[in-house]
Amino acid sequence: AQTVTQSQPEMSVQEAETVTLSCTYDTSESNYYLFWYKQPPSRQMILVIRQEAYKQQNATENRFSVNFQKAAKSFSLKISDSQLGDTAMYFCAFGSSNTGKLIFGQGTTLQVKP
Amino acid sequence: EAQVTQNPRYLITVTGKKLTVTCSQNMNHEYMSWYRQDPGLGLRQIYYSMNVEVTDKGDVPEGYKVSRKEKRNFPLILESPSPNQTSLYFCASSLTGLINNEQFFGPGTRLTVL
Repeated sequence: AQTVTQSQPEMSVQEAETVTLSCTYDTSESNYYLFWYKQPPSRQMILVIRQEAYKQQNATENRFSVNFQKAAKSFSLKISDSQLGDTAMYFCAFGSSNTGKLIFGQGTTLQVKP
Repeated sequence: EAQVTQNPRYLITVTGKKLTVTCSQNMNHEYMSWYRQDPGLGLRQIYYSMNVEVTDKGDVPEGYKVSRKEKRNFPLILESPSPNQTSLYFCASSLTGLINNEQFFGPGTRLTVL
């Protein structure tokens, strides 16, 4: 069974600085997807970025980028130039190509300080 | 506006009193799913539906029922709620059950069972 682990329950960063959120996963599948979701205080789940496992190039979306290490089963999220609006809980998720299921990590609460 | 809606957004009830949380999407999506979010556990899938009249158990289905009689609606039914079902519930939908299709989440339903 797939598992997703986020080992940092809480993190904080100063506005305009860079922060990295960690995520590791375990799977025996070779083709899968990885996602980072943002959940602001409104509770809405917002897709931030996704990575296809067969693509070696790390995905980027504006200030958000990932460091995907397939052999190490690691998928970290880097937020550059942090903004107050980035304050949220962030979930890492594994997407199985076999079952179509999303498996979520425990979440990391990020606070951006002015 | 393309969206997933849930009702009610907040619900406080008592043990054993049957309740239904509705979920509706206007994007003609085939795949719909229910998750529950609990502190320290992330989101866990309760049930999912690949299409009309096709439903299947997720990781935590005990105590829940679902139905998919029409494409746009996927209600979650708690026949006899218990306090351990106090949680934040999310409905989600995607075009198909393939994991490369983005899942769109509803706004969440905060349920408290006394």
